[in-house]
Amino acid sequence: EIVLTQSPATLSLSPGERATLSCRASQSVNNYLAWYQQKPGQAPRLLIYDASNRATGIPARFSGSGSGADFTLTISSLEPEDFAVYYCQHQGNWYTFGQGTKLEIK
Amino acid sequence: QVQLQQWGAGLLKPSETLSLTCAVYGGSFSYYSWTWIRQSPEKGLEWIGEVNHSGSTNFNPSLKSRATMLVDMSKNQFSLKLTSVTAADTAMYYCARKYRGYLFDHWGQGAQVTVSS
Repeated sequence: EIVLTQSPATLSLSPGERATLSCRASQSVNNYLAWYQQKPGQAPRLLIYDASNRATGIPARFSGSGSGADFTLTISSLEPEDFAVYYCQHQGNWYTFGQGTKLEIK
Repeated sequence: QVQLQQWGAGLLKPSETLSLTCAVYGGSFSYYSWTWIRQSPEKGLEWIGEVNHSGSTNFNPSLKSRATMLVDMSKNQFSLKLTSVTAADTAMYYCARKYRGYLFDHWGQGAQVTVSS
């Protein structure tokens, strides 16, 4: 089973700042890596797929990068609605998620 | 516009059977696989399994012995049954559509299931 480790666990930033979230896999995942955003009381929302492709309707301030086993989600300039929990996810023998990074207002 | 609406019993006693159903509105039901995912503070997001339009299933090995998924093509619905529940099965349960082989692009609203004696 491939394990996804996200860091940091919590990131405290202010609106307008740049956010950089990390996801590291225990082995190469061939770029089949997705990112989701979850707000309180809501289901996760797909943001990025195949490491760097934005899902339908996702603003351009969200970008994904990386390859192999190291991936990054970047939010170029934080909007108030971006403060949420972010998860990475991969397809292995089954589907696994990272433990999440909470992006909170500083 | 694709929408998933789910329902089922929210409070169970240990050893009972969890039963949830998800209805799909909009889009093509037969083209996709349909999944159940649960979320708890202890385990985070955990994929339970999936079913396609023909009834073929795949499960998380940790739940395979207790889980059943069925599909009703006439109603565009799919369901989850999980037997012999324990407190460890307490979680928010989501249904979701699987897209492009490994993505989950449409989700139900979630159903809180609590197992308590």
